[in-house]
Amino acid sequence: SAVISQKPSRDICQRGTSLTIQCQVDSQVTMMFWYRQQPGQSLTLIATANQGSEATYESGFVIDKFPISRPNLTFSTLTVSNMSPEDSSIYLCSVEVGYEQYFGPGTRLTVT
Amino acid sequence: AQKVTQAQTEISVVEKEDVTLDCVYETRDTTYYLFWYKQPPSGELVFLIRRNSFDEQNEISGRYSWNFQKSTSSFNFTITASQVVDSAVYFCALQTGTASKLTFGTGTRLQVTL
Repeated sequence: SAVISQKPSRDICQRGTSLTIQCQVDSQVTMMFWYRQQPGQSLTLIATANQGSEATYESGFVIDKFPISRPNLTFSTLTVSNMSPEDSSIYLCSVEVGYEQYFGPGTRLTVT
Repeated sequence: AQKVTQAQTEISVVEKEDVTLDCVYETRDTTYYLFWYKQPPSGELVFLIRRNSFDEQNEISGRYSWNFQKSTSSFNFTITASQVVDSAVYFCALQTGTASKLTFGTGTRLQVTL
């Protein structure tokens, strides 16, 4: 299994500002995934982050809005830039360990 | 393209009733993996099961059981003798290939009352 922590757990931010979310895993993993869960909705993949290479973004998500860093095999950050109320969501990081995908506790973001 | 359909948006049952959550998937890949996750009100996603496309054996874990039928592209989840603590949103998800993204269904909200 994997233990994943995320910081912050929640935040309330002003429109137009940026927030960086951190994801830490207790073991080395090749790929990390960032998902978004809008209120009352399902999870949607934002991007896949490999250590040492550019993240791969899903359709509808762009690097300028959601820049991702992956400096080592246990850590990644997701930045939500120039936020608007539509960015209010839970952001979750995920890793695959032993054929199972585990999720962090999520960061609950509210943009006012 | 991959797709997961959870037609039941909300289900309410009384404690001790059995309940089945439906999941239908679409994929053209012959190798794929199916997952169920539980999301309680606290928000975290709890992994319940992973099943690969070559293993159609049903699985039982305590009060939980899963029925995988490739003929109908379904991977249904049954909770026997439901309890209030089972109240949560349950997501079915599909993965094609390892270390790749999960495609989630829209979730089924289960409410178990006394």
